[in-house]
Amino acid sequence: KAGVTQTPRYLIKTRGQQVTLSCSPISGHRSVSWYQQTPGQGLQFLFEYFSETQRNKGNFPGRFSGRQFSNSRSEMNVSTLELGDSALYLCASSHSGRTANTGELFFGEGSRLTVL
Amino acid sequence: DQQVKQNSPSLSVQEGRISILNCDYTNSMFDYFLWYKKYPAEGPTFLISISSIKDKNEDGRFTVFLNKSAKHLSLHIVPSQPGDSAVYFCAASKAGGSYIPTFGRGTSLIVHP
Repeated sequence: KAGVTQTPRYLIKTRGQQVTLSCSPISGHRSVSWYQQTPGQGLQFLFEYFSETQRNKGNFPGRFSGRQFSNSRSEMNVSTLELGDSALYLCASSHSGRTANTGELFFGEGSRLTVL
Repeated sequence: DQQVKQNSPSLSVQEGRISILNCDYTNSMFDYFLWYKKYPAEGPTFLISISSIKDKNEDGRFTVFLNKSAKHLSLHIVPSQPGDSAVYFCAASKAGGSYIPTFGRGTSLIVHP
């Protein structure tokens, strides 16, 4: 069973540009969550999509957005990039997103974004 | 405001000894707790979890203890192995509300041979 796949793995952008990251969840998983990891800040929740609808959202500015397609694949977009957006962006999938029921999220390897 | 705190950024342990990683939480509504392990250049992987109705859960070398009154949980690894060297994240969620897990900042464990 293929795991969660994120593309691209690494990318470099300059301030003011925008970026789109892609995530393919495990087959059969309908929930996709996005997290930002920066040194010393742990995993900060961005948003979660289930059946093409944003079901939960973290405390990030509107420059961060996402969407989910009918095949459960998800993309996140960051517009007007700032230096502080440099981070590892992680995607996680689960059957329903109900952690207490499934017991776990399955993470991809992440997309490392560097903003210069 | 950090709702899940891992106050030790790093921990160094000798191979064969016990590793104890600690986690504190402030939100009494949390009722499900998880530990994830992360190697460099890989995504976090689920390690072990515990429901608030229990105070201990064991899986092989890994045991998680929950003290609800102190809002504290700990992960014990016995015996520690060099392959356990990784960053460990504590996470908590609310089953009845927004189930999205809130993560701590992680503790980097180094197990020396």
